[in-house]
Amino acid sequence: DADVTQTPRNRITKTGKRIMLECSQTKGHDRMYWYRQDPGLGLRLIYYSFDVKDINKGEISDGYSVSRQAQAKFSLSLESAIPNQTALYFCATSELAGLGDTQYFGPGTRLTVL
Amino acid sequence: DQQVKQNSPSLSVQEGRISILNCDYTNSMFDYFLWYKKYPAEGPTFLISISSIKDKNEDGRFTVFLNKSAKHLSLHIVPSQPGDSAVYFCAASAPDQGAQKLVFGQGTRLTINP
Repeated sequence: DADVTQTPRNRITKTGKRIMLECSQTKGHDRMYWYRQDPGLGLRLIYYSFDVKDINKGEISDGYSVSRQAQAKFSLSLESAIPNQTALYFCATSELAGLGDTQYFGPGTRLTVL
Repeated sequence: DQQVKQNSPSLSVQEGRISILNCDYTNSMFDYFLWYKKYPAEGPTFLISISSIKDKNEDGRFTVFLNKSAKHLSLHIVPSQPGDSAVYFCAASAPDQGAQKLVFGQGTRLTINP
């Protein structure tokens, strides 16, 4: 079974609709992240959470909100979707090990906003 | 402002030869660097990392080199195999109020030709 799962895997929605992307993990990590990937731009950080009570904005948080329901669950919401939010969205988890912070990614959600 | 840059969007290498993927960064505060590999329809997976106190780290066929004065790192794959065909992302992190976040490059698509 996958350690980091994302639902749905694909979603097509219309402009103005509210949509939620969900992420669950069984790795027992405290830290969770949401990224989006766009062609030619790599992965950009939307929000991150270092524990259930800690939520932080990333590089591109405008238009998004998150909820950390439990250590294992981290949801990303688009309150009113717009076409330039069409992208591939990844959830990731990590635990700090020494100097580094290796992150483990889910399979991604492909979101299309029409 | 792209702090981590992969200037080659694609690279094609013959099977058995060496693949060299390059990455440049601008933030001198970065102290940990990682390479991720991504297959289509999957999330990125961690490949290899290096801390700023080292200039080389090796793991089987994969070696990462870090040149801090040039703010440059590279990933060497020897020998290249067809299964290495994927998109490779370099990433860097810097301490941020005791926590660490990853900044990703745009990715390089590596194709290994038989």
